[in-house]
Amino acid sequence: AQTVTQSQPEMSVQEAETVTLSCTYDTSESDYYLFWYKQPPSRQMILVIRQEAYKQQNATENRFSVNFQKAAKSFSLKISDSQLGDAAMYFCAYSWNYGGATNKLIFGTGTLLAVQP
Amino acid sequence: GAGVSQSPSNKVTEKGKDVELRCDPISGHTALYWYRQRLGQGLEFLIYFQGNSAPDKSGLPSDRFSAERTGESVSTLTIQRTQQEDSAVYLCASSLTRRPGLAGKRDNEQFFGPGTRLTVL
Repeated sequence: AQTVTQSQPEMSVQEAETVTLSCTYDTSESDYYLFWYKQPPSRQMILVIRQEAYKQQNATENRFSVNFQKAAKSFSLKISDSQLGDAAMYFCAYSWNYGGATNKLIFGTGTLLAVQP
Repeated sequence: GAGVSQSPSNKVTEKGKDVELRCDPISGHTALYWYRQRLGQGLEFLIYFQGNSAPDKSGLPSDRFSAERTGESVSTLTIQRTQQEDSAVYLCASSLTRRPGLAGKRDNEQFFGPGTRLTVL
């Protein structure tokens, strides 16, 4: 069964500093996708970054980057130059390619990130 | 264009009542998902619609839960005889289907609505 584990329920970072959120997953699939979603108090789920498993290069989106270690089944999120607006719940999620169609997301339990001014 | 919308935003009901939650996906998105998020927890998959294919209902927690979708448009999630443990935020998401030959970096991305907060008293 596919599972996603986030072992850090809460994290804190000083404004302008760098923080890394951890995520591990378990799967027997070879073609899959990994995501980090941000959920502020408004409840709106916002996609932060995604990684295709077949790509060796780590994905980056401005201040957000991932460290994708396929063999270790690890997918951490690094937030550089943290801003107050980054404070939110962050969810790691996994999806696999099923018959050429997109598929349901399996979510971790989330990491609540606080940004200190 | 408009994103995924859900209604109502909040719903308070009494135990034993039926409730109906609505989701309007992004126009053109063939895939639609319902998730449940209990307080302080991650999202749990409930049901998945893909075009005219039979829906994947593997995440529905009991037979009190059902969902319908008309073509590639609006979907409704119905919870019958609500229980207090049904209290949660119900989120809907939609996405394009990744068909062979279809280019697009983000065609596999699920776009979420703002959710419906259900409180069962």
